[in-house]
Amino acid sequence: DVKVTQSSRYLVKRTGEKVFLECVQDMDHENMFWYRQDPGLGLRLIYFSYDVKMKEKGDIPEGYSVSREKKERFSLILESASTNQTSMYLCASSLGGTDLYEQYFGPGTRLTVT
Amino acid sequence: TQLLEQSPQFLSIQEGENLTVYCNSSSVFSSLQWYRQEPGEGPVLLVTVVTGGEVKKLKRLTFQFGDARKDSSLHITAAQPGDTGLYLCAGGYFGGSQGNLIFGKGTKLSVKP
Repeated sequence: DVKVTQSSRYLVKRTGEKVFLECVQDMDHENMFWYRQDPGLGLRLIYFSYDVKMKEKGDIPEGYSVSREKKERFSLILESASTNQTSMYLCASSLGGTDLYEQYFGPGTRLTVT
Repeated sequence: TQLLEQSPQFLSIQEGENLTVYCNSSSVFSSLQWYRQEPGEGPVLLVTVVTGGEVKKLKRLTFQFGDARKDSSLHITAAQPGDTGLYLCAGGYFGGSQGNLIFGKGTKLSVKP
């Protein structure tokens, strides 16, 4: 079974802090994704990566950056956390090729910025 | 802009009832996935359909991909409280960035005992 793990299930940070969210997958997937999920807005793509050291902006990249130094690990960084970044953050991975579109999600990190 | 519209947004039913959830778009998708998400957890992949007209069954759940690959439905027979959750459809589209999906906003299902 594909396993995607996220470093924290719950996180409380103060406005202005730098926040790191880490995601690790154990199935040698090429593609990795970061989403945020908010009531009424659904899942919104922040950034994705289809290879080590490669990154692409999603629909809402402002205020975020990412890092992918190893194939299995994809980090999301909030440079200076703000209250409007309070959300559920979901990491996902997918295998390239014929299974290109099946994404496997981690359990999520509920981030609260106060 | 590709969009996936899901309906209904909310559904509250009694145990044992049948239900259908719809996922519609004006765009053609190369594949379509259905996910179920429980509160506080990440979405879990249920099924992928890739061929127009395809029907897949997963126990009491039946998934159908429209002939034109623009829409899909999920039918649950004899719903149980364990089916409660948020059901999301997601489409992979031709010409999109590698591996990206378009997600619907979901149908929140509540099955009461």
